Amino acid sequence: DIQMTQSPSSVSASVGDRVTIACRASRGVGNWLAWYQQKPGKAPKLLIDATDTLQSGVPSRFSGSGSGTDFTLTINSLQPEDFATYYCQQAVTFPWTFGRGTKVDIK
Amino acid sequence: EVHLVESGGGLVQPGGSLRLSCAASGFIFSDYWMSWVRQAPGMGLEWVAKIDYDGSDKDYVDSVKGRFTISRDNAKKSLFLQMYNLRAEDTGVYYCATMGRRTAKTWGQGTLVAVSS
Repeated sequence: DIQMTQSPSSVSASVGDRVTIACRASRGVGNWLAWYQQKPGKAPKLLIDATDTLQSGVPSRFSGSGSGTDFTLTINSLQPEDFATYYCQQAVTFPWTFGRGTKVDIK
Repeated sequence: EVHLVESGGGLVQPGGSLRLSCAASGFIFSDYWMSWVRQAPGMGLEWVAKIDYDGSDKDYVDSVKGRFTISRDNAKKSLFLQMYNLRAEDTGVYYCATMGRRTAKTWGQGTLVAVSS
């Protein structure tokens, strides 16, 4: 199975900050990379698929980039509702696998 | 609006069985591949199984192969996960989800499965 490694595992930030989360795949996944946001007690929400395609209704302060094995989720001007855990997911080979998550909390 | 509601979770002893259901509404169910994704307590996400539009193509993560079966009833707009020989490591919240481009596009609220003696 393809292993997905996220870093950092947690980050403390303030409203208005830019936050960058990295995701590395154990082998190339092309652009088959998605990002999810999960808030406590809730189901995850798909934010981005195909590396950089923002889902309908997701604010434009979220963006994704990368290719091959290295990917990034960037949140520009962090808002109070963005404090959550973020997961990357590869979709090139089944079983599709997730990173262990990055928790973004309030500094 | 897409709406998914899981049911069927509960406490079961190791070696026991459960059948999870997911009722879909607000979209043309037969137009979508569907999946089950689980999350152990305090842990990350694991894709358990996926099924194509009519149930002819299914796939599973290795840890559940031979024990879990995914199925669907398009007439009833329902997705199922039959789970046999449950283990402690199967404990977690099980989510059903519509699939996008090999993603879990829309999720239900989840149903908790606890395997313990």
